[in-house]
Amino acid sequence: DTEVTQTPKHLVMGMTNKKSLKCEQHMGHRAMYWYKQKAKKPPELMFVYSYEKLSINESVPSRFSPECPNSSLLNLHLHALQPEDSALYLCASSQDQGRDTEAFFGQGTRLTVV
Amino acid sequence: GQQVMQIPQYQHVQEGEDFTTYCNSSTTLSNIQWYKQRPGGHPVFLIQLVKSGEVKKQKRLTFQFGEAKKNSSLHITATQTTDVGTYFCAGPNDMRFGAGTRLTVKP
Repeated sequence: DTEVTQTPKHLVMGMTNKKSLKCEQHMGHRAMYWYKQKAKKPPELMFVYSYEKLSINESVPSRFSPECPNSSLLNLHLHALQPEDSALYLCASSQDQGRDTEAFFGQGTRLTVV
Repeated sequence: GQQVMQIPQYQHVQEGEDFTTYCNSSTTLSNIQWYKQRPGGHPVFLIQLVKSGEVKKQKRLTFQFGEAKKNSSLHITATQTTDVGTYFCAGPNDMRFGAGTRLTVKP
């Protein structure tokens, strides 16, 4: 199984809503990543978890709150988002952050903030 | 983290023409990875280069890592419409992506 599964695929939320994006992998990978991708732009790194601990936070606003409940799951909790936060949110995993291994990406969650 | 610069931003070619994208870093890279993202899709790993001067081939795709390990290139020979997409390089460890080169191919 070389899949990274993201749910939901699409999400529309209001600026006062609280929602969560979920990401799951069963490859035994110990590094997991959240990216934000706007149209015609590269994926922009947001957070990196290594062995279930947050290792990189790219100065992301606190309205985005990551969580790694176990080695297979990665969540991104959303609260009080702005319309400019609308984007494709990609999750990825790799065997280890510090080692030279490929990253597997999920299909992404397309988020629209209204 | 290490930043990689990528050029060109866009490339439009006639089917059958060749295509090359370049990534450059101001610092030495321990490795570099290449990904392809089809329109509407997610990034998919293509290859990783680790050794100085390394050259790897995948069918019509040729990947090179510079002798100083500060630059890399991806060359596609005789492009096909299936090559359409955005090609990204990514630096080591923290998985930050270059700006990407968007390739369009005219049949």
